[in-house]
Amino acid sequence: GENVEQHPSTLSVQEGDSAVIKCTYSDSASNYFPWYKQELGKGPQLIIDIRSNVGEKKDQRIAVTLNKTAKHFSLHITETQPEDSAVYFCAARSGGYQKVTFGTGTKLQVIP
Amino acid sequence: NAGVTQTPKFRVLKTGQSMTLLCAQDMNHEYMYWYRQDPGMGLRLIHYSVGEGTTAKGEVPDGYNVSRLKKQNFLLGLESAAPSQTSVYFCASTTSGGQNIQYFGAGTRLSVL
Repeated sequence: GENVEQHPSTLSVQEGDSAVIKCTYSDSASNYFPWYKQELGKGPQLIIDIRSNVGEKKDQRIAVTLNKTAKHFSLHITETQPEDSAVYFCAARSGGYQKVTFGTGTKLQVIP
Repeated sequence: NAGVTQTPKFRVLKTGQSMTLLCAQDMNHEYMYWYRQDPGMGLRLIHYSVGEGTTAKGEVPDGYNVSRLKKQNFLLGLESAAPSQTSVYFCASTTSGGQNIQYFGAGTRLSVL
């Protein structure tokens, strides 16, 4: 089955700096890569996703890049703000029924 | 618009007790999932359902049973709770086509003593 590795597990940045979270996947058949943000006491919420036929996608301060050859994808957050502090999960979909495999999460702390 | 609702939010069980977690979605989604979240392990799929009356095993199904008698509800049962089942449980749902975004509930925090 699919295996998704995520690094780093924790990340502290100063407000206004950029944050980068990296993930690798094992199944070359994976074709959809969502990123979720989980705030304290809440369920994960999709913030951005990318499909295998696209190399990069941006949404305001958030961007995701995908390198299919190397089987890795990354989340980039620019001009970080305190409200960006949360746990971020990457995921990859390779099987049917929309099942995804999640990474182990990155706890991002933005220091004011 | 409620989305995905989980009940209860918190529960403490003694070893050997049973309980049922309820997930309800009002988005007419075909697919529903139960995950558990443990520190350092991300979200792991327990069971899932692709439609009313159907269920299938995920990555970590042992010790759990599920039922989907109605399209909008997905129940997760623990017949004889064990301390290893102490976790935060999340339900999610999505459509069978289109963008396939998984929508999550707020979670159920379960402690088994």
